[in-house]
Amino acid sequence: QQQVKQSPQSLIVQKGGISIINCAYENTAFDYFPWYQQFPGKGPALLIAIRPDVSEKKEGRFTISFNKSAKQFSLHIMDSQPGDSATYFCAASRQGGKLIFGQGTELSVKP
Amino acid sequence: GAVVSQHPSRVICKSGTSVKIECRSLDFQATTMFWYRQFPKQSLMLMATSNEGSKATYEQGVEKDKFLINHASLTLSTLTVTSAHPEDSSFYICSARDAIGANVLTFGAGSRLTVL
Repeated sequence: QQQVKQSPQSLIVQKGGISIINCAYENTAFDYFPWYQQFPGKGPALLIAIRPDVSEKKEGRFTISFNKSAKQFSLHIMDSQPGDSATYFCAASRQGGKLIFGQGTELSVKP
Repeated sequence: GAVVSQHPSRVICKSGTSVKIECRSLDFQATTMFWYRQFPKQSLMLMATSNEGSKATYEQGVEKDKFLINHASLTLSTLTVTSAHPEDSSFYICSARDAIGANVLTFGAGSRLTVL
C-alpha cells in the first residue's frame, strides 16, 4: 500500500519530442504528488507537484496529469531537450508524512 | 528558496571506522529532516526521520545502532555511520521540511561514502 510504481525504467526521446513518465499508487490517503529530477552525483530537485483536487498542472514545459479514480499520475515533458537528460522520480505522501519514491526513470534526450 | 547543505560531499574511510555526515538547512528552520540512502541506478530509500529534540524514527530494517542520527537544532542533523563496512558504501542524501505539516521537501546534494 505504501508503494509507488513508476514506468518506464528508461526512456530515449529525440530532441523536441514529448517525454512521458507514468506512476501509480495504492494508498488513497496520499494527497501530495511531486516529481523530482536528479542528475548524476547530485541530490534530487523538486520539479513540479500536484494535489489530488486538480487534474492537471503545468509549469513551463513540464505538465503533471492526475487521474484520481485510476490512482495514476504522469509527467509530460514537452519539447524535450538534451539538458533534460536525467533520472526522474515520482513520489507521494500524506500531509506532512514520509515521501515515498517511485523506482525512477532514466531519461535520455538525443540531439 | 530553501537550501539544504550537506557535508562532506565525498568521503573515503577504512573499514571499522566511523563517519559523520552533516545536513544543514541554510535559510530556514527544519522541524523535520529525513535521511535517504541510494544505491547506483536505484531509487531513494528512506532510512529514518528525525525531529528536532527527539529521537529519530527508523524505517524497518535500518539498524539504529549503526546509523546514528542526531537532530540537536532546527538547522542541523547529523548521520553517523558507525563501524563502517564496504557494504555501507552508498550515496546518502538528507532532506528537510521547513514547517510542521508542510509537504515540500528540499534535498541536499548528497554524500558519497566509500568504505575500503
